[in-house]
Amino acid sequence: DVKVTQSSRYLVKRTGEKVFLECVQDMDHENMFWYRQDPGLGLRLIYFSYDVKMKEKGDIPEGYSVSREKKERFSLILESASTNQTSMYLCASRPWASGANVLTFGAGSRLTVL
Amino acid sequence: GNSVTQMEGPVTLSEEAFLTINCTYTATGYPSLFWYVQYPGEGLQLLLKATKADDKGSNKGFEATYRKETTSFHLEKGSVQVSDSAVYFCALSDELRGAQKLVFGQGTRLTINP
Repeated sequence: DVKVTQSSRYLVKRTGEKVFLECVQDMDHENMFWYRQDPGLGLRLIYFSYDVKMKEKGDIPEGYSVSREKKERFSLILESASTNQTSMYLCASRPWASGANVLTFGAGSRLTVL
Repeated sequence: GNSVTQMEGPVTLSEEAFLTINCTYTATGYPSLFWYVQYPGEGLQLLLKATKADDKGSNKGFEATYRKETTSFHLEKGSVQVSDSAVYFCALSDELRGAQKLVFGQGTRLTINP
């Protein structure tokens, strides 16, 4: 069964801390995505990556950065966490040649910033 | 840019009731359309999709028809079950800097009572 695994299901951090959210997929997918999910706002794209060492800003990249050193791993970094970054973060992946544009999602990482 | 609007939730129904969750979109061109479902404690998973006008996507008793003339993709099920309780997201495909991405609606929480 194909999988996208997010290492932390729940995190609690303090304002100003540096936060790493890790995502690993075992499907050899080229494309990977980070979304945040907030009530009433749905999912909003933060960053995505075409392939290893490639990254592109999504719709709400401010306050975030990403790293894609290996094909299977896509990390989301909050350089200095703030309370407005309290949210559910969802990682997803897709093969490059996915004509139907179907994403496989991880279970999510719920981050609380105090 | 392209966008998706879903009916406001939450929606609460009794078991065996008929379900409709409205979804309309704004897009240039002819995007693919999707419904994703998120069960409690899990990530999103694809429920059904349609890639061109008049296509009907179906899965697990759910259906949605791609209506170009009304720019809609409403989700329907004839007889809901308690196990259908989840959050439902309508989405469309969009292009960002040469890559395909998904744009999501705000989500509709559905609760089915026995």
